[in-house]
Parts: sequence; C-alpha cells; structure tokens
Amino acid sequence: DIQMTQSPSSVSASVGDRVTITCRASQSLTDWIAWYQQKPGKAPKVLIYSVPSSQGGVPSRFSASGSGTDFTLTISSLQPEDFATYYCQQAIFFPLTFGGGTKVEIK
Amino acid sequence: QVQLIQSGAEVKKPGASVKVSCKASGYTFIDYYLHWVRQAPGQGLEWLGWINPKRDGTIYAERFQGRVTMTRDTSISTAYMQMTNLRSDDTAVYYCARCSSCPLGNYDMDVWGQGTTVTVSS
Repeated sequence: DIQMTQSPSSVSASVGDRVTITCRASQSLTDWIAWYQQKPGKAPKVLIYSVPSSQGGVPSRFSASGSGTDFTLTISSLQPEDFATYYCQQAIFFPLTFGGGTKVEIK
Repeated sequence: QVQLIQSGAEVKKPGASVKVSCKASGYTFIDYYLHWVRQAPGQGLEWLGWINPKRDGTIYAERFQGRVTMTRDTSISTAYMQMTNLRSDDTAVYYCARCSSCPLGNYDMDVWGQGTTVTVSS
C-alpha cells in the first residue's frame, strides 16, 4: 500500500499566519493527490484535487503544489474558519490511502 | 443541490452484520462512482472500496475483501455498504463519497454523505 506521511501532525497558529502542511508519498503519484478539510463532527470537504486544481468555492488562500512524492498545502493567511484537521489522499493507487492528518489549532 | 444522505446510526453486537445506505440526489446517480470511507473515533480516514453504479462493478480494499459488499439500487439512486462479522474495531463513522472523475484517474471525493455511526459492542 502507498504510505502517505503527513507533517506536522499538529500546528498552533494565529489568525493571519501562513501555514504549510506537507505530505510525502512512498512512491510517485505524478500529481494525483487530493486535500481535504474536516471540522469536528463533520464529514471531510475537498479543498484541492489533482494538484494544483482547487474545488469550486474554495477560498484562494488555499493552494497546493508538488509532484512525484512531495506535496504541500498552503494556507496563505489563516482565518478563524480554517481551524480544522487537514488530510491528504493519494488518488491513483489501490487501496486509496490518506495521510494521518494535520490539526491546525489556535495559538 | 448535490447531496448524499446516509442512513441512521447503528449499534451491533460482535459477529453481526450492518448495512448502511447512501441516497444520492441532485445529479445522475449512475454517472459517478461512489467510495466508502470510514473513520474510527479520534482516528484518520480509511478507504473501504468503491462501486460503479452504472455497471455494478466494485473494487474493495484487500483487507476488507470477503467482509464488505457494496451494492446499489439505481431505481432509487441508492448505494449500500454491508459489512459482516463485525468486530469492536469496526466501530467508526462510515461515509459514502462521490468520485468526481472515476475511473479516468484522480480518484478523489468531491461530495460526502453526512456519515453513519456504527458502534460494535457486546
């Protein structure tokens, strides 16, 4: 199975901060990766699919980059509604697998 | 709007089976594959498999082969996930999620159901 190593597992940040989350795959994904945001008690919501394309309606402060095995999700200016857990997912090999998650907390 | 509405919470005993439903609306049901994903309490996301509603084809994660069955009823735009021989570590929230571009690559999940909590306890 493809291992998706996500870091950091948690980050404390303030409103307005720039936050970067990384995801490393155990083998090349070309650009077949998706990013999700999950708030407590809610289903995940897709932010980015097929780097660097963003889902319609997702604020422009969310961006993604990378290819091969190394990917990043960047929140350029953290807003109060962005405090959540973020997951990467490799979107090409079976079984589909997710990173362990990054919890973005208020500093 | 596009929605996936799942069935309600279930409590089962070890060894029992559970069947979760996922009703689609706002789009043509047979045009999009559906994934099933679960999340144990306080844990990350785990993919169980997918179903092609048009051709009734399925792919399961190997670790669930033989224990999970995904089906659909196109007449009511509903997909189902049945898991047998439940264990306590199957306690989780189970989600259905639509695949935006399957099977052409990028097997992402663009619309999610609200989740169904399955609790396995004696």
